[in-house]
Amino acid sequence: EDQVTQSPEALRLQEGESSSLNCSYTVSGLRGLFWYRQDPGKGPEFLFTLYSAGEEKEKERLKATLTKKESFLHITAPKPEDSATYLCAVSEGNNRLAFGKGNQVVVIP
Amino acid sequence: ETGVTQTPRHLVMGMTNKKSLKCEQHLGHNAMYWYKQSAKKPLELMFVYNFKEQTENNSVPSRFSPECPNSSHLFLHLHTLQPEDSALYLCASSQESGGDYGYTFGSGTRLTVV
Repeated sequence: EDQVTQSPEALRLQEGESSSLNCSYTVSGLRGLFWYRQDPGKGPEFLFTLYSAGEEKEKERLKATLTKKESFLHITAPKPEDSATYLCAVSEGNNRLAFGKGNQVVVIP
Repeated sequence: ETGVTQTPRHLVMGMTNKKSLKCEQHLGHNAMYWYKQSAKKPLELMFVYNFKEQTENNSVPSRFSPECPNSSHLFLHLHTLQPEDSALYLCASSQESGGDYGYTFGSGTRLTVV
């Protein structure tokens, strides 16, 4: 059973059209939830860590939020350079991160 | 550059070849990881090293053999691979092996087994 489920799998947005990505998780004893951005042919790039329900973090057009069961990555007024795959991962503090399959985002000019 | 360097970036090998992937980190981290990334699948953890000691082998076939001579270098030795082993192999490092502070990834090695 998947510990981390991301939806939608793929998303096409017009430039400026805000949207949200969802990451739901089933782990107990969450030690941290992580968002990464991955461009084609490159490794994942760290964006945010969230530790407790109610926590929010922002970086440019991205805002990540966390509840007890899920996290959202809000993309406000996206630009074409925001096109990427966004990966969500959770840590139970046991030497591993469990990753979701990712949200592939394409922003059309 | 992220501070984690992987070489080579691309590798094509036959099923009878032996090759090695190299990872080097300049971040002073004490934990290093190998992940496999295949299309439409989540990243799969392969191996974890903490202070040069292997702390996890995630049921990886013996045709993959890791080596960690020191906290800054990590190798993945490959032999007798199968076509289904074709994937992006990612190296990562972190300050603590618990992963609470996130990982820093390299750019990966795109492996094609023919």
